[in-house]
Amino acid sequence: EVQLVESGGGLVQPGGSLRLSCAASGFTFSTYWMSWVRQAPGKGLEWVANIKRDGSEKRYVDSVKGRFTISRDNARNSLFLQMSSLRDEDTAVYYCAAGSGWSFEYWGQGTLVTVSS
Amino acid sequence: DIQMTQSPSSLSASVGDTVTITCRASQSISTFLSWCQQKPGKAPKRLIYSASNLQSGVPSRFSGSGSGTDFTLTISSLQPEDFATYYCQQAYSAPLTFGGGTKVEIK
Repeated sequence: EVQLVESGGGLVQPGGSLRLSCAASGFTFSTYWMSWVRQAPGKGLEWVANIKRDGSEKRYVDSVKGRFTISRDNARNSLFLQMSSLRDEDTAVYYCAAGSGWSFEYWGQGTLVTVSS
Repeated sequence: DIQMTQSPSSLSASVGDTVTITCRASQSISTFLSWCQQKPGKAPKRLIYSASNLQSGVPSRFSGSGSGTDFTLTISSLQPEDFATYYCQQAYSAPLTFGGGTKVEIK
């Protein structure tokens, strides 16, 4: 059974930092592109960043460039999102998602990040 | 960036109805288009990839069509468990983008 389990969310003050993790199992992690997708309360889905199978390519939505860093550890079947200089508008449920290409075949259940003073 | 425009934003339908949702891309994306379903408080679930390929395990009443800029998701014989929000997503170029969503409600 495929599982993606996110962790690391929580309440953080504006300007603060947070590191999200996603533990993968049930599929060959190293052969999948991995992404982070977020959903602000009551809003639609927004892709945040993705990383190639071997970690050699990373892409970001403009609104997080320079503040967020995506990484992966294929030996530990894990995906990470380091978030810094957090803003109110980064408040969302963050999902990790996996795909053989840039479509999202598998999704985690999400972790809530709340940026508030 | 490629903009994805879904219509309608919401619709009301009855069990057994056929429902059609459209998605338009601001430029050609070939068939790099997926559809996902999201129920309240749950993670999205992919239904269709590459415009018309049914995800394994998804009922055959779901179908997708289109290429270039215009795409359609059709749900034949709507079932109670199909009441949800549906999103299209282009997988052609970064930044990857989603449509605004279509909420399918019970009439």
